[in-house]
Formats: sequence, structure tokens, C-alpha cells
Amino acid sequence: DQQVKQNSPSLSVQEGRISILNCDYTNSMFDYFLWYKKYPAEGPTFLISISSIKDKNEDGRFTVFLNKSAKHLSLHIVPSQPGDSAVYFCGVGTYKYIFGTGTRLKVLA
Amino acid sequence: EPEVTQTPSHQVTQMGQEVILRCVPISNHLYFYWYRQILGQKVEFLVSFYNNEISEKSEIFDDQFSVERPDGSNFTLKIRSTKLEDSAMYFCASITGQIASEAFFGQGTRLTVV
Repeated sequence: DQQVKQNSPSLSVQEGRISILNCDYTNSMFDYFLWYKKYPAEGPTFLISISSIKDKNEDGRFTVFLNKSAKHLSLHIVPSQPGDSAVYFCGVGTYKYIFGTGTRLKVLA
Repeated sequence: EPEVTQTPSHQVTQMGQEVILRCVPISNHLYFYWYRQILGQKVEFLVSFYNNEISEKSEIFDDQFSVERPDGSNFTLKIRSTKLEDSAMYFCASITGQIASEAFFGQGTRLTVV
């Protein structure tokens, strides 16, 4: 059973538009949520996080939204740039993180 | 910026051989992890290590696998009698141990079992 799901394996967006990446989780006890970005042949790198006491966290072009009742979080990238093309993983947990399967974002110039 | 380093970046091994993947976590971190990603699949948790012992492990982490921190800096993953399905990217991560701290990942070791 997958505790963390990213149902869209891939997403294509035009440069300058908004990219929305989604993540659903099953365990309401998770209290910390992270997004990682991964380029080919590199390790995941931390992008942005949110704790369960918040519903929104913003860092430049990246905003993470948390809907605890729906057990859903999303990452918004506005405006999307070609350099944002990567695989994005959501991770949930506290000390140990469970990751989703990833969504491959392609930003078209 | 501190970073987690992993060696080698790519390891090719014959089926049935033993491999050791090495990781140097960030020096003041207390929790260490191994994850793997089989090509095209999700990132999977293997094991967490704290205070010189395994704190948690997944179903994947069976007797074929072991971890140790032999010298207080290196954190190693040993895979005995490798199988073709062990081919994957293996990522090491470390965390300070404070609640809600970010995990820092290494660049990964690509293991290819032939």
C-alpha cells in the first residue's frame, strides 16, 4: 500500500505558466512535508517544506499548499522556467520520510 | 554548504558478489538513511540508523543488507550476494535529528548487477 501518492507521472507546462504538482498521503499523523527536486544522475535536493500547523509556505516562485483534511499537498511553480524541468518528489514524515513516486515536470520554452 | 558525499558514483558487479556502498554524512547530523530508486520507480526507504544502531528498516532491508558506521564518519551499506534486481540508484541521506529538519541527500551510487 502506498502511503504517499503522486498520481501524475508527468506534466508538461509552457514557460511562464503555472506548474501544479500534487501529492496525496494516507497517514494523518505525518506532520512535516517536503518537496525535493531531482535532476537526472543527481541526488534529490531539498526545495521547500511545510509543517502541519501551516497551510501555505512560499519561497520565491515556489509555494506549497497543505490541505490536512484532504491529506493533500501541492507545489505551485509560478512562473515556470525551462530550468525547472526535473522530477519532483514529495516526502512526508517527521524523522523518517516516505517519498512519492515522483512527477516528471517538463517546462517547454 | 555542507553536503553528503557518496562513493563510488557507479559500481558494476557480478551477480552473487558483495558490494559496499559508502557515504559520508554531514558531520553534526545524527540520523542516517539509505534509500534506493530502481529505474523508473519510486524512491524507497531501506533503513535508518541512529546512535550506532538500526532504528527502523523496511521490508526490502532483509538479511542480504547490512549497515554500519565503522569509524564515526563513513556510513556504509553492504549488499551480500547481489541479485539483478538490486540494480538501482542508492541514496544516502542525513538529518540533524531535530524535528522537522530537512534531509540532505548524497548524489547517489548507481549499482549495476550483471
